[in-house]
Amino acid sequence: GDSVTQMEGPVTLSEEAFLTINCTYTATGYPSLFWYVQYPGEGLQLLLKATKADDKGSNKGFEATYRKETTSFHLEKGSVQVSDSAVYFCALSDYNQGGKLIFGQGTELSVKP
Amino acid sequence: KAGVTQTPRYLIKTRGQQVTLSCSPISGHRSVSWYQQTPGQGLQFLFEYFSETQRNKGNFPGRFSGRQFSNSRSEMNVSTLELGDSALYLCASSTGGARTTEAFFGQGTRLTVV
Repeated sequence: GDSVTQMEGPVTLSEEAFLTINCTYTATGYPSLFWYVQYPGEGLQLLLKATKADDKGSNKGFEATYRKETTSFHLEKGSVQVSDSAVYFCALSDYNQGGKLIFGQGTELSVKP
Repeated sequence: KAGVTQTPRYLIKTRGQQVTLSCSPISGHRSVSWYQQTPGQGLQFLFEYFSETQRNKGNFPGRFSGRQFSNSRSEMNVSTLELGDSALYLCASSTGGARTTEAFFGQGTRLTVV
């Protein structure tokens, strides 16, 4: 079945450092791919998305490119801020699965001043 | 445009009781999905309702059930609560296509079973 694998956390970075969180997926069809962010005590916020191969999603300085050949959707940001501290989830939605999202295990990011 | 609203935000229940959680999706969205989030199991899909019909179901026991009303609002019910049901329950709203291209989440209901 479909699955998403994220790099293990927690990840601790200094402010202005470069961020990469790896995400790979397994899907039977042609999925849409997402990154969600969760701040303490909150629900999930959609950070960015890509719906087909080679699409690049971007938002708030974060980027991720849908790579079909490597089945990956790695999240990157050039310069992190303390306010980026949160848990990040990679997710997919496969064709004919309707609203069902399959999530990775989440990666906790902590940014120190 | 109003976001996804979940009520209540917090609940404390006793083992053996039942509980009903509510989710109001974004206006115009016809699909509501429910997820359970726990530290050990992460985010797990419970079920999806589209146009008042259950369209997808995850791997949870029959104690977990749901429904959707004609205005797309959805409720989920958990009967005979167990300690392991303590979790953050999240609902997500989307337009309802064959494949989701955008799903928006509520803030969740934190259920504690004692």
